[in-house]
Amino acid sequence: GEDVEQSLFLSVREGDSSVINCTYTDSSSTYLYWYKQEPGAGLQLLTYIFSNMDMKQDQRLTVLLNKKDKHLSLRIADTQTGDSAIYFCAEKEQAGTALIFGKGTTLSVSS
Amino acid sequence: EAEVAQSPRYKITEKSQAVAFWCDPISGHATLYWYRQILGQGPELLVQFQDESVVDDSQLPKDRFSAERLKGVDSTLKIQPAELGDSAMYLCASSLGGAGETQYFGPGTRLLVL
Repeated sequence: GEDVEQSLFLSVREGDSSVINCTYTDSSSTYLYWYKQEPGAGLQLLTYIFSNMDMKQDQRLTVLLNKKDKHLSLRIADTQTGDSAIYFCAEKEQAGTALIFGKGTTLSVSS
Repeated sequence: EAEVAQSPRYKITEKSQAVAFWCDPISGHATLYWYRQILGQGPELLVQFQDESVVDDSQLPKDRFSAERLKGVDSTLKIQPAELGDSAMYLCASSLGGAGETQYFGPGTRLLVL
């Protein structure tokens, strides 16, 4: 079945760049997403990328997709303390289906 | 900005009791999802609706869980009887449907079963 793997924890200093990595097993994954979850809250959509793209940039966020290695990354430039949260990678095979999530990466930003 | 609404935000109950959660999706969103998130894990799908019809409930423990979306708008998820292992965050999400649609999540209901 489908599986999404993420590293569990990342610690960075304020102002540095953060890179959160994700690997997935389903080669037919068509849509890939990054969500952010703050303590006790729901999931906030950060960005997404379709499988026919290699890169997407949105302000401080850059998503890179390596389809050959089934690897997805999220880079946050100039990381701020407000970026401290859990980041989830998610994928789905086709439109109209549910998301398959990783276990989340906890990002800790120190000042 | 339109949001997915959920209530209650927190629920404490004793095992064997019944609980119910409510979700109101973003207006016009035909697809509604209920996910369960156990502490330290990512969300996992419980049930998916397209309008008022169930599309996928393969992971819903049907002996104790039920879900409905009678008019194709808001939805209710019920657990009866609740068990200790049901303690989790229950998240509702909605999407327009169609190719490339994104899912928008509500704030969740945190359930604690004692």
